[in-house]
Amino acid sequence: QVQLVQSGAEVKKPGASVKVSCKAVGYTFTSYNMHWVRQAPGQGLEWMGIIFPSGGGTYYAQKFQGRVTVTRDTSASTVYMELSSLRSEDTAVYYCARDSGSGRYSFNYWGQGTPVAVSS
Amino acid sequence: QSALTQPPSASGSPGQSVTISCTGTNSDVGGYNYVSWYQQHPGKAPKLLIYEVSKRPSGVPDRFYGSKSGNTASLTVSGLQAEDEGDIYCSSYAGRNNWVFGGGTKLTVL
Repeated sequence: QVQLVQSGAEVKKPGASVKVSCKAVGYTFTSYNMHWVRQAPGQGLEWMGIIFPSGGGTYYAQKFQGRVTVTRDTSASTVYMELSSLRSEDTAVYYCARDSGSGRYSFNYWGQGTPVAVSS
Repeated sequence: QSALTQPPSASGSPGQSVTISCTGTNSDVGGYNYVSWYQQHPGKAPKLLIYEVSKRPSGVPDRFYGSKSGNTASLTVSGLQAEDEGDIYCSSYAGRNNWVFGGGTKLTVL
C-alpha cells in the first residue's frame, strides 16, 4: 500500500538549514509528482513547492523562492526538501504529499509530518 | 498568492447539514475546476475528501458534497456525525504549477 515515510523531528538555530526526507513506498516513484506543505503551530496549511520525480523539475511558491530546494533520489524513491536561512517563523510541521495524478491537481497521500523547531 | 478565504468556524448538530465556503479569485478557484477539500484531525495529516470540485475518492462517504459557483467553492457535509469534527481546508490549483490553500475551518459537531 502507498506510504510516505518522513524523517524525524529537527531542532535548528536561526540562520541554519534543515533537510527533510520523504521516502515513497508502494508505488512507482516516478509516476506521481510530490508536493511539500507546511503547517505552523495552530495555523493552516501552506503549499511550498512541487517536484516532478521523473525529470527532477521543480516549482516553488513565490514566498519560498531562493530559500527552498526540493530534490529527489530516484534510486532511493526519496524526495528531499531543504529550507535555508531559518527563522522562528519557519517553526512548523512539514509534510510531503503525493499528487493524485491524472491531472487531478490534488494531494491523495500524505506523509506523517516532520516537526521542525527553530529556536536560539 | 493569497490564501483562499474560509470561515474560521462552522457547526451543526448530529444529523444536520453544514456548508463551508472557500472564496478565491479568477486566478485560482474561478479559473480552474481543480478545487479540493481536506479533513484534518488533531495531530494527524490531512485526508483528501473531494477533488476536482465535486469528486470523491474511494472510501469517502457521499455525505460529503462539493460544488463551485464563480470564485467560491463549497463543501456540504450532510448527516453530521461526531467523527466529522476537525479542521477542514480547501485548496485550488492557481496556474503555472502553483497551489493555494484556504485558512481552514474548524468544524464542530454540537
